[in-house]
Amino acid sequence: GIQVEQSPPDLILQEGANSTLRCNFSDSVNNLQWFHQNPWGQLINLFYIPSGTKQNGRLSATTVATERYSLLYISSSQTTDSGVYFCAVEITGANSKLTFGKGITLSVRP
Amino acid sequence: DSGVTQTPKHLITATGQRVTLRCSPRSGDLSVYWYQQSLDQGLQFLIQYYNGEERAKGNILERFSAQQFPDLHSELNLSSLELGDSALYFCASSVVGSGGIEQFFGPGTRLTVL
Repeated sequence: GIQVEQSPPDLILQEGANSTLRCNFSDSVNNLQWFHQNPWGQLINLFYIPSGTKQNGRLSATTVATERYSLLYISSSQTTDSGVYFCAVEITGANSKLTFGKGITLSVRP
Repeated sequence: DSGVTQTPKHLITATGQRVTLRCSPRSGDLSVYWYQQSLDQGLQFLIQYYNGEERAKGNILERFSAQQFPDLHSELNLSSLELGDSALYFCASSVVGSGGIEQFFGPGTRLTVL
């Protein structure tokens, strides 16, 4: 099946710092989504980004489908950004299930 | 708030028991997905329904079953529960059941099997 690898596995930042989270995937995809899982376990949709670039406030994401990777940028990080960030993909031509990476645990310190 | 609702939020039960998890999709969404998040397996797809019909199956155990009702809400039934079934169960929904469509996730049901 498709492989979804996220890096780095853990990230510790000082409040105000910027960061880049990476997602590599091994096959052609129809859909790519980034999620933030907060400390209460809720999965928050950040971006639906099968290709191209999107921005939402301090967050932005870029997917280069031809090279099979996506990047999530967090600027001016805040303590509320802490949690686990997941990348999930849907393989082209298969059913519409999402395959998740293992996640990146981000801790932002005040 | 994604618009997807799940009940209950928490469920504590004993081994061997049976439980039912409920999901209501976003208004207008026809497709419902169930996912399981456990410590050892991560987040994995269980099953998908589209407009009342099963559309795709993932790593769902035979002890588990699901259905989608005419009002489009869905239920996931877990029976003969084992300790290893303890996990966070998410429901997601999308407008259609075909590929390339964004999925929106509910808040999850945390199941603890003692």
